Amino acid sequence: AQSVTQLGSHVSVSEGALVLLRCNYSSSVPPYLFWYVQYPNQGLQLLLKYTSAATLVKGINGFEAEFKKSETSFHLTKPSAHMSDAAEYFCAVRGAQGGSEKLVFGKGTKLTVNP
Amino acid sequence: NAGVTQTPKFQVLKTGQSMTLQCAQDMNHEYMSWYRQDPGMGLRLIHYSVGAGITDQGEVPNGYNVSRSTTEDFPLRLLSAAPSQTSVYFCASTPGQGKYTEAFFGQGTRLTVV
Repeated sequence: AQSVTQLGSHVSVSEGALVLLRCNYSSSVPPYLFWYVQYPNQGLQLLLKYTSAATLVKGINGFEAEFKKSETSFHLTKPSAHMSDAAEYFCAVRGAQGGSEKLVFGKGTKLTVNP
Repeated sequence: NAGVTQTPKFQVLKTGQSMTLQCAQDMNHEYMSWYRQDPGMGLRLIHYSVGAGITDQGEVPNGYNVSRSTTEDFPLRLLSAAPSQTSVYFCASTPGQGKYTEAFFGQGTRLTVV
């Protein structure tokens, strides 16, 4: 069964600093990995997704994530944080086996950006 | 484009009451699902459907029923509300099986059971 672990339920950075949100996955088959963002009182919006085409995936709003099979990781980064990045971020995994369409989410990381 | 539409946005129920959370999508997606979001727990799958007439249980199905009579609609029914069902509920849709694309989420229904 697939699972994801997000290290750190809260991350705080200064505006302009590097953002690093960690996600490790567990999957017996090549995984399909996603990062979603949730702004306060809103639904989830896709930031980026990994589907094996490239290990470095670029998403919206300047975010990117690198798939590292040897480390079973898919960490999310942004070189320079902006106040508008304050939100909760979720890593999710879906198995690549046929019929396995269920998304399994991590517990989320709440990002605070300080002025 | 409307995408995934959930109604109502907010609801307060008394313990023991029943209600239906509505979810509709206009993208002709085959796959639909319901999640609940609780603080520190992420999103957990309640029920899902891979097409009209086909539903299955997710991780936390107890106390909830679903049906899928059309491609567009996937209502979630609470049979007898309990305080433990206080949560934010999200409906999502995905293009059909075998197409590994992202799920599209509604804006959520915030439910309080008193």
